[in-house]
Amino acid sequence: DAGVIQSPRHEVTEMGQEVTLRCKPISGHDYLFWYRQTMMRGLELLIYFNNNVPIDDSGMPEDRFSAKMPNASFSTLKIQPSEPRDSAVYFCASSSSPEAFFGQGTRLTVV
Amino acid sequence: GDSVTQMEGPVTLSEEAFLTINCTYTATGYPSLFWYVQYPGEGLQLLLKATKADDKGSNKGFEATYRKETTSFHLEKGSVQVSDSAVYFCALSVLPSYDKVIFGPGTSLSVIP
Repeated sequence: DAGVIQSPRHEVTEMGQEVTLRCKPISGHDYLFWYRQTMMRGLELLIYFNNNVPIDDSGMPEDRFSAKMPNASFSTLKIQPSEPRDSAVYFCASSSSPEAFFGQGTRLTVV
Repeated sequence: GDSVTQMEGPVTLSEEAFLTINCTYTATGYPSLFWYVQYPGEGLQLLLKATKADDKGSNKGFEATYRKETTSFHLEKGSVQVSDSAVYFCALSVLPSYDKVIFGPGTSLSVIP
């Protein structure tokens, strides 16, 4: 398996634009997590899914953030409209056990 | 609630020095404990784990022992290398549901030649 695959690796966008981050989890994993990492706040759990169903989205900072998982092999995290303070590295992770497997992340810069 | 506390960083060591990164946890159930490592520009990857009290996890020369009596899972390595420079995260996941892995804040390690 290729591991958790995220795209794009880097995204630079202007304030106010819509941004969509994509994630392909490891096949067979039934949990999918979205994290955000910044220097100031460290690693934050935004939302997670179990069997494609959102379980806990309490970490989503605002209504501008939304996440979907239409099937077991794909998830998106959307920010609309984006703001400079959304600049961070966004990680997707998947698991079927206590161990979580992370993607390489998407570095988002909002200017 | 469940939580993980790590020693503050950054930590700077000379090559071949001994490393300890302290980690303590609070959990209502029976946690599995982990150390993840994040190399520059990459995602987190599992370094080692322990699933029950007194278990010792080990990998790449790193070790950590699950101490239930002190609720600790300290990471150690006898001789660090420059390539060990990274951020280290202690984490836990609580039975019976593995729905969340709770991470500590991370400890940055820099090893200088």
